[in-house]
Amino acid sequence: DSGVTQTPKHLITATGQRVTLRCSPRSGDLSVYWYQQSLDQGLQFLIQYYNGEERAKGNILERFSAQQFPDLHSELNLSSLELGDSALYFCASSGLGTGGYQETQYFGPGTRLLVL
Amino acid sequence: GEDVEQSLFLSVREGDSSVINCTYTDSSSTYLYWYKQEPGAGLQLLTYIFSNMDMKQDQRLTVLLNKKDKHLSLRIADTQTGDSAIYFCAEMRNTPLVFGKGTRLSVIA
Repeated sequence: DSGVTQTPKHLITATGQRVTLRCSPRSGDLSVYWYQQSLDQGLQFLIQYYNGEERAKGNILERFSAQQFPDLHSELNLSSLELGDSALYFCASSGLGTGGYQETQYFGPGTRLLVL
Repeated sequence: GEDVEQSLFLSVREGDSSVINCTYTDSSSTYLYWYKQEPGAGLQLLTYIFSNMDMKQDQRLTVLLNKKDKHLSLRIADTQTGDSAIYFCAEMRNTPLVFGKGTRLSVIA
């Protein structure tokens, strides 16, 4: 158990809908990262938050957004869902988000999203 | 190129050693990681190596790093059926991780 929790574990929805994925980082970690794992693209970095502020952005679609709250949990919002958004979404957390060994990222169990 | 490269499949007999290879791209990457993903599960951190090290050993796991060739390997000694999983190599470019596509290790009893 990495200490990172994600809910829900599974999500089935329809095209055009909007969903929210939730992540709680390990106790004491300030940085949260979101990754998408799909069969064709592999593991892709989406976005990083550090202590409530956006720190880095990867291949995140405009239909997707995220935020990190004062209690450090994070939510990833996916809207206008398409079939191709079906994937496993991982959250990871690390200590400081600034480099060094504190950057070791610990992953949650993931949320499996199926868009029908 | 931009990608972290790994071979897709490896099959070994139980008790043998497994060696999973990875080629990364950014010579300024500070840390390199190995993660394990079992079927239906998340990513489990196995080990990492700092870029100024050549080797790191942790029980049955040995990581070798060749910075000149940007080559990373993971050796699993005495491979067991419970080691069957997908193994991902990742490099840290700034703070996000860049992953390879993963090597599926099958252990034959």
